[in-house]
Amino acid sequence: ETGVTQTPRHLVMGMTNKKSLKCEQHLGHNAMYWYKQSAKKPLELMFVYNFKEQTENNSVPSRFSPECPNSSHLFLHLHTLQPEDSALYLCASSQLLKGGTDTQYFGPGTRLTVL
Amino acid sequence: EDQVTQSPEALRLQEGESSSLNCSYTVSGLRGLFWYRQDPGKGPEFLFTLYSAGEEKEKERLKATLTKKESFLHITAPKPEDSATYLCAVQESYKLSFGAGTTVTVRA
Repeated sequence: ETGVTQTPRHLVMGMTNKKSLKCEQHLGHNAMYWYKQSAKKPLELMFVYNFKEQTENNSVPSRFSPECPNSSHLFLHLHTLQPEDSALYLCASSQLLKGGTDTQYFGPGTRLTVL
Repeated sequence: EDQVTQSPEALRLQEGESSSLNCSYTVSGLRGLFWYRQDPGKGPEFLFTLYSAGEEKEKERLKATLTKKESFLHITAPKPEDSATYLCAVQESYKLSFGAGTTVTVRA
């Protein structure tokens, strides 16, 4: 495997279900990100992990719960979602350097549909 | 207030018809401006990073330029395989702020 991988690629869930999205990066980076992409809207940053520590939580509802067990893996745990949470969820990674420029590399995304 | 604005929202081109996409930004301390290409149902694919006004970068039929307030992505003699959504993002601190993208359709 190379780059950033995400599983599953597609997920349909009811509002009472609990599911998890998984992301793995094979680039040796130290930072990982979750983004939400809705139709015709800019990517919305949800969470940032730098060296496994959460450094950003962009006012995301508590029904989204991130987990970063190590610098290569990132999870997004989902529970009691709403239909408006249906979107493409993207994971990215980067080598975050102090004062440097941060090129983020993205995974293929998980298309989530909440019924 | 939007930090990154892309125009036009959509662009339909005939094969071989060159054109430009615009990305204007309002951040004060720009550390980098990024262009990505995104195909339907896939994640963004990195194209270019530009660091300072006057800088230019090229890749095949794409050329990106940067001024103090905007960036242009020029598509020269496009082919149908250049059809995609092109995203612009700016880095001010350690976070990226994205524009909504320009969807380019190239007809054969």
